[in-house]
Amino acid sequence: AQSVTQLDSHVSVSEGTPVLLRCNYSSSYSPSLFWYVQHPNKGLQLLLKYTSAATLVKGINGFEAEFKKSETSFHLTKPSAHMSDAAEYFCVVRTNQGGKLIFGQGTELSVKP
Amino acid sequence: EPEVTQTPSHQVTQMGQEVILRCVPISNHLYFYWYRQILGQKVEFLVSFYNNEISEKSEIFDDQFSVERPDGSNFTLKIRSTKLEDSAMYFCASSGSTRSYEQYFGPGTRLTVT
Repeated sequence: AQSVTQLDSHVSVSEGTPVLLRCNYSSSYSPSLFWYVQHPNKGLQLLLKYTSAATLVKGINGFEAEFKKSETSFHLTKPSAHMSDAAEYFCVVRTNQGGKLIFGQGTELSVKP
Repeated sequence: EPEVTQTPSHQVTQMGQEVILRCVPISNHLYFYWYRQILGQKVEFLVSFYNNEISEKSEIFDDQFSVERPDGSNFTLKIRSTKLEDSAMYFCASSGSTRSYEQYFGPGTRLTVT
């Protein structure tokens, strides 16, 4: 069975400092992995995806993630946090059969001025 | 830019009542999904739909739930007899194909069962 585990339920950073949101995955197959963001009272927006091409994936708003098979990780990073980055972030794996998405528990990112 | 839309944004209903949640997927997409998020919990898959039939459903998706694509644009989720534990945010998503893996989500419908 496939799954993702987000290692932090809440991360707090200061504006202008780096962001690191951690995600480990479990999959018998080469996984398709995603990060989605959910701003307060908004829907889920796709940040970036990994589908077995380049291991370093660039997404929107300056975010990127690196797929590390040896560590079964897919951590999300951003060099410099902005106040508008404050939101809930979900690491997601897509099942190989049927295509349903399996979500992690979510990490709430707070950005302090 | 095309987007998935959902109506209503918020629905309040009494226990035992039927509700229909509506979604308009992106127009050229072929795969449709419903997910839900109970407050404070993770997003959970409910059902996927392709070629006018259910492709996959979760254990949550019991006989009280049904989905339909009544015309070329709408995709609906019906709950026949709502329970308190059905209170959640319900998200519709669509995908162009299984090869393009991205699923695009609507803004959600918050269902409150009293």
